[in-house]
Amino acid sequence: AQSVTQLDSQVPVFEEAPVELRCNYSSSVSVYLFWYVQYPNQGLQLLLKYLSGSTLVKGINGFEAEFNKSQTSFHLRKPSVHISDTAEYFCAVSGIGGTALIFGKGTTLSVSS
Amino acid sequence: KAGVTQTPRYLIKTRGQQVTLSCSPISGHRSVSWYQQTPGQGLQFLFEYFSETQRNKGNFPGRFSGRQFSNSRSEMNVSTLELGDSALYLCASSEPTGMSTEAFFGQGTRLTVV
Repeated sequence: AQSVTQLDSQVPVFEEAPVELRCNYSSSVSVYLFWYVQYPNQGLQLLLKYLSGSTLVKGINGFEAEFNKSQTSFHLRKPSVHISDTAEYFCAVSGIGGTALIFGKGTTLSVSS
Repeated sequence: KAGVTQTPRYLIKTRGQQVTLSCSPISGHRSVSWYQQTPGQGLQFLFEYFSETQRNKGNFPGRFSGRQFSNSRSEMNVSTLELGDSALYLCASSEPTGMSTEAFFGQGTRLTVV
């Protein structure tokens, strides 16, 4: 079985500051890792995914994440955030070949000017 | 290419009633998954259908059921609604072949049980 822990429920930052949203996972098998973003009253949009290969993954909107197998982490980072990045961010895991996504509880990123 | 379409977007039902939600996946996608999102429990996997067969199921009571049609459209049904079933229900479609597994989500159906 897999589980995901997002270590911060809320992250407030100022515009143009860097941000890191933390995600740890637990699994007895190899996994795929994902970050999704959800804007108010919307579905989920994929930011980036790690399937295999390079541990540094680049996604849309300037986001990137690093897979660390020894620390079972997949933290999301952005060097400079914008007001428009204000949203809920979800880390998710699935077993390789699996079809069910297991989500963390989410992190609310609030960007202010 | 059209995205995942869920209907209706909003729904209000009375406790004890039943409800059916619909999901049309991206053209060509054969896998459809359903998730329940609530403030308390977060996002939880309900079930997944692939080529008209339920391939995976989460930990929900039997009141929650689904089906998939030959055109890959899917419906989920909740019978004997309870107040706790109030949630955003999200549908995701994917074509899980090779290394390209990626779920595309619809905007969801907001169900309110009163």
